[in-house]
Amino acid sequence: QKEVEQNSGPLSVPEGAIASLNCTYSDRVSQSFFWYRQYSGKSPELIMSIYSNGDKEDGRFTAQLNKASQYVSLLIRDSQPSDSATYLCAVNQGTASKLTFGTGTRLQVTL
Amino acid sequence: GAGVSQSPRYKVAKRGQDVALRCDPISGHVSLFWYQQALGQGPEFLTYFQNEAQLDKSGLPSDRFFAERPEGSVSTLKIQRTQQEDSAVYLCASSLAGGTSGSQHFGDGTRLSIL
Repeated sequence: QKEVEQNSGPLSVPEGAIASLNCTYSDRVSQSFFWYRQYSGKSPELIMSIYSNGDKEDGRFTAQLNKASQYVSLLIRDSQPSDSATYLCAVNQGTASKLTFGTGTRLQVTL
Repeated sequence: GAGVSQSPRYKVAKRGQDVALRCDPISGHVSLFWYQQALGQGPEFLTYFQNEAQLDKSGLPSDRFFAERPEGSVSTLKIQRTQQEDSAVYLCASSLAGGTSGSQHFGDGTRLSIL
């Protein structure tokens, strides 16, 4: 079992719809959770961080964390073609400072 | 500079050659990380520095890989006797603080191709 799991996709949503991206993690002592967006050929760009259970909203993005279920998600409202990218879920495990990444979910927003 | 700067952006080397990749973190950032990203995969951790101290090198795949950050700022990742499996994008990230809460900001990476 991988430490951080994501569906590789592609996840296809029409423009204006809500895109829902999911991630599960195996280490119960994980403390910090991050979503990165990566355009093809570019570096990962931090878009959301979340540290406690519940929802965190920033513009069109909402991160949701459920530590009991070891589950973190990212919702993108009013999806735009420019949101088409790979979304990487990353986890800080226990006391380690390093990030453990999932393989990423490729999102396609169609016109 | 405003962001993490990496050089070169692209590096082509013949198998067996040594290469050196440079990372200049965001000014004032204490922590510096190196990751390796293969095509279609998420970044994989290589090593971590807090200031000049290398606190975690558990991700380095072999003793051919060596990293340093002698003055607590710029870091160099060196790969000796390169092999084809070393071909990947090498990403550097920095964060303001150490520990588990610091958000990491990535550079544009060095795309290494071993022929």
